[in-house]
Amino acid sequence: AQSVTQLDSHVSVSEGTPVLLRCNYSSSYSPSLFWYVQHPNKGLQLLLKYTSAATLVKGINGFEAEFKKSETSFHLTKPSAHMSDAAEYFCVVSDLAGGFKTIFGAGTRLFVKA
Amino acid sequence: GAGVSQSPSNKVTEKGKDVELRCDPISGHTALYWYRQSLGQGLEFLIYFQGNSAPDKSGLPSDRFSAERTGGSVSTLTIQRTQQEDSAVYLCASSLWGTANTGELFFGEGSRLTVL
Repeated sequence: AQSVTQLDSHVSVSEGTPVLLRCNYSSSYSPSLFWYVQHPNKGLQLLLKYTSAATLVKGINGFEAEFKKSETSFHLTKPSAHMSDAAEYFCVVSDLAGGFKTIFGAGTRLFVKA
Repeated sequence: GAGVSQSPSNKVTEKGKDVELRCDPISGHTALYWYRQSLGQGLEFLIYFQGNSAPDKSGLPSDRFSAERTGGSVSTLTIQRTQQEDSAVYLCASSLWGTANTGELFFGEGSRLTVL
């Protein structure tokens, strides 16, 4: 069965510095991988998705993620954090073996300091 | 409608009562999911419907929880004899299944359940 592990429950960065949110996955088949963001008291929004095309995926708001099969990782990065990036981020996996059942990681809360 | 619709948006009930939460997915989406998000927590998978296949109920926390999907569209999540620990936001999502499937989920606004 597929699974996803977000390695940090909380990440704190200063505004203008790089962001790295780590995610490792387990999947028997070529997975689809996603990052979703949830701002306080808001709904879930898709940031970006990997579906076996280019391994470096660009999303909204300057975020990107790189699919590394050898490391089973799909880390989310952004070169320069903005205060508005403060939110909860979820790494998500979905694969054929699971009938495309979609599993969420536990989430990483990103804090951005002025 | 254009998006996933959930009702009610808020439900306050007394311990021991039954509740029903409704989800109307995006038209044409064959996959439908229910998740639960407790305060400050991640998304807990509850149940997954895919077309006419038997649903994956592996995430339902107890036999007080059940869900059905009628006609491959609208779904109802039922919680019987509610307990205080059932208080959470219940999120419904749908996605498109097909040869070009990417598994992207489209979420509703959620139903906030408070059990007193």
